[in-house]
Amino acid sequence: ETGVTQTPRHLVMGMTNKKSLKCEQHLGHNAMYWYKQSAKKPLELMFVYNFKEQTENNSVPSRFSPECPNSSHLFLHLHTLQPEDSALYLCASSQEGSWNTEAFFGQGTRLTVV
Amino acid sequence: GQNIDQPTEMTATEGAIVQINCTYQTSGFNGLFWYQQHAGEAPTFLSYNVLDGLEEKGRFSSFLSRSKGYSYLLLKELQMKDSASYLCAVRASRSGNTPLVFGKGTRLSVIA
Repeated sequence: ETGVTQTPRHLVMGMTNKKSLKCEQHLGHNAMYWYKQSAKKPLELMFVYNFKEQTENNSVPSRFSPECPNSSHLFLHLHTLQPEDSALYLCASSQEGSWNTEAFFGQGTRLTVV
Repeated sequence: GQNIDQPTEMTATEGAIVQINCTYQTSGFNGLFWYQQHAGEAPTFLSYNVLDGLEEKGRFSSFLSRSKGYSYLLLKELQMKDSASYLCAVRASRSGNTPLVFGKGTRLSVIA
């Protein structure tokens, strides 16, 4: 059982829809991340939140909008997506400030844009 | 920029030993991680190296040479359940935070 929970596990949405991905971590970590995993590509870092503050936006299109209401919850709001946005979206958390701390991942949301 | 290279695919026989290599060029270095990811599942942590040398953990070992920008993951006594993707990741200093930067992953197939 992972300490990072993502919902939904699967999502199919049209290009005009608005949906949100949810992530919750039960590990007491202070940093949370969104990664995108596409076929034959490395995990791409999208957003970083440290102590609820967004500290990094890796040139992600504005149709992806993150929200971090507290250090345990992270959302990714989606609107007017494109078919190429279909991918596995992974949430992760870690304890920043400790060099040897690994990131813990959620199971991911498999997103299909039609 | 950040660049992490590892082979795309490898095949090995059950009971054998396999070595998965990873080379990296990153702006800053604060440790190298190996993750295992089964199809459709979350990546799970395997090992961490920050100093040169070999770290052993059961059937899995990981080696690091910082001067060469090189690491490998060694899997011994391979089992069918070891068929998965193995992701090399570097913790690089960036903007005061240290998120992990990942390679594309190596898909390992263990055959009987």
